[in-house]
Amino acid sequence: AQKITQTQPGMFVQEKEAVTLDCTYDTSDQSYGLFWYKQPSSGEMIFLIYQGSYDEQNATEGRYSLNFQKARKSANLVISASQLGDSAMYFCAMREGDTGGFKTIFGAGTRLFVKA
Amino acid sequence: DTGVSQNPRHKITKRGQNVTFRCDPISEHNRLYWYRQTLGQGPEFLTYFQNEAQLEKSRLLSDRFSAERPKGSFSTLEIQRTEQGDSAMYLCASSLAAGGPYEQYFGPGTRLTVT
Repeated sequence: AQKITQTQPGMFVQEKEAVTLDCTYDTSDQSYGLFWYKQPSSGEMIFLIYQGSYDEQNATEGRYSLNFQKARKSANLVISASQLGDSAMYFCAMREGDTGGFKTIFGAGTRLFVKA
Repeated sequence: DTGVSQNPRHKITKRGQNVTFRCDPISEHNRLYWYRQTLGQGPEFLTYFQNEAQLEKSRLLSDRFSAERPKGSFSTLEIQRTEQGDSAMYLCASSLAAGGPYEQYFGPGTRLTVT
């Protein structure tokens, strides 16, 4: 069965430092997609980055990069040069299948606190 | 604004009453998803539509829950005979059906409180 595990309930990082948020997943499918979303205190989920299971290169989007280690079934999010506005909940998510129509499951999230 | 919208943003109801929420997806998105999120947890999948067809339902979606997307545009989620355990944030998301990676765009949610 699909499962997403985020083992860090909360993380602190100093402004301008880099931080890694951990995510491990479990699936028996060969084809799947991995996502990270940000949820600020306002509540709206914001898509950050995507990694397909067949993508050989790690995904990058601006200050976000996804450290994809397929054999270890991990998909850690790296945020470089943290900013105060990065303080939020971060959710790792997985979608099985490659046609986009399958349900997406989310981890329990990691709350990131950026200190000035 | 061309994002996903949800109404109402907040709903307080008494146990046993019926409630209905509405979601308007991004206009070119033909996939629409409903999730439930409780405090401190990630969103839990409830159901998903492609156009007007409801293609998957979670076991979380009891008989008291029903969702529709009659014309393949907006969707409604109805909860009948609400219970206190239904108190949660109900999130709607939409995505494209082709072209990958099919990331979902979320609305602001409807917060339901059952007293």
